Amino acid sequence: DAGVIQSPRHEVTEMGQEVTLRCKPISGHNSLFWYRQTMMRGLELLIYFNNNVPIDDSGMPEDRFSAKMPNASFSTLKIQPSEPRDSAVYFCASSRITSGGPGTQYFGPGTRLLVL
Amino acid sequence: QQPVQSPQAVILREGEDAVINCSSSKALYSVHWYRQKHGEAPVFLMILLKGGEQKGHEKISASFNEKKQQSSLYLTASQLSYSGTYFCGTDVSMTNTGNQFYFGTGTSLTVIP
Repeated sequence: DAGVIQSPRHEVTEMGQEVTLRCKPISGHNSLFWYRQTMMRGLELLIYFNNNVPIDDSGMPEDRFSAKMPNASFSTLKIQPSEPRDSAVYFCASSRITSGGPGTQYFGPGTRLLVL
Repeated sequence: QQPVQSPQAVILREGEDAVINCSSSKALYSVHWYRQKHGEAPVFLMILLKGGEQKGHEKISASFNEKKQQSSLYLTASQLSYSGTYFCGTDVSMTNTGNQFYFGTGTSLTVIP
């Protein structure tokens, strides 16, 4: 079974440009998480979806960030306009939450974003 | 709301033991432990649910003290492959639609020959 798929794996862009990160969760998982990781702030949860519905977006840094999950097999994280301080590794993770409790989160390989 | 881990970093010789602690200011429903190697994504180790504890794999185990809102990860007879950054992840609430999840501050563990 394929794991979580993220694209692109690396992105270099100039300040002010729009950046779109993509994620395909593991088939059958009903929750999807977007994280950002930097040396300064560690792993930060940006937003997570349950059954394609955004549940908690309190971690989204500002209005420049937006995330969508149009269906169970695809999600995007968009930054517009991008700034150098957005440079980080962005991880997508998925899990299957059941009545028995939270599931294990399986992480994608991450997208390394550099904004010049 | 981010759980605090201690120590921040530890260096071990092969075969030595280590304990990593995770402390939350919120009541916990479960605690997850992950390990991340340099340049890679975090990988799940184990989950501990409220009301019990669950052992993971190899020589790595963990405990969960609900009253103290703490969890500890125990690494015994460490191997070189244990090197990495360990994160605890905490579920601080459960609702009908989902849970709130936070990763800890991380503990860098280095095992040397």
